[in-house]
Amino acid sequence: DVKVTQSSRYLVKRTGEKVFLECVQDMDHENMFWYRQDPGLGLRLIYFSYDVKMKEKGDIPEGYSVSREKKERFSLILESASTNQTSMYLCASSLASSGANVLTFGAGSRLTVL
Amino acid sequence: LAKTTQPISMDSYEGQEVNITCSHNNIATNDYITWYQQFPSQGPRFIIQGYKTKVTNEVASLFIPADRKSSTLSLPRVSLSDTAVYYCLVGGTGGFKTIFGAGTRLFVKA
Repeated sequence: DVKVTQSSRYLVKRTGEKVFLECVQDMDHENMFWYRQDPGLGLRLIYFSYDVKMKEKGDIPEGYSVSREKKERFSLILESASTNQTSMYLCASSLASSGANVLTFGAGSRLTVL
Repeated sequence: LAKTTQPISMDSYEGQEVNITCSHNNIATNDYITWYQQFPSQGPRFIIQGYKTKVTNEVASLFIPADRKSSTLSLPRVSLSDTAVYYCLVGGTGGFKTIFGAGTRLFVKA
């Protein structure tokens, strides 16, 4: 019954490494999102996409890029990981025509950058 | 985007009804009110959504007064497994730029 799947639950990377976080949804949703969640700061939107090959910056896009080549897949890329990118990363998706804010989240990917 | 204000934390006991109120004074005409639940090390999970008056599902009820400047999530007869963080959000169609606040940490005691 899993609908939004994030490829890795836990990752440990070194400073300067390139990191790919993959997210796949099987609900045919148009919209996909990447958030990061840090203690005391809540969930912050990094990027979202409302269609294949389309992307929009969220509130904290610096240091990140995204790719959406297929409708079901949305990837978050850290070109050169830094220690301040240690966080929990959450992917979500929603229907374009949903009432509002009805997001389905994945289980999260906890990234540690050493 | 309408900002929301919720209590930081609440405590309750098993079997009690819990009401969590959210303020959203700047809610726009086309904004819906949505609540999510999040357990540790998991992504948030949709609980309930409403536009006005009262909405009820198998998990919770949502009460929205006529002016829509606040809303109350009601959890009937909570159990230990309801210990989680509850987020109130307001926003329009499609969920773009969905902004999560700090949420309310509910702790249910035996």
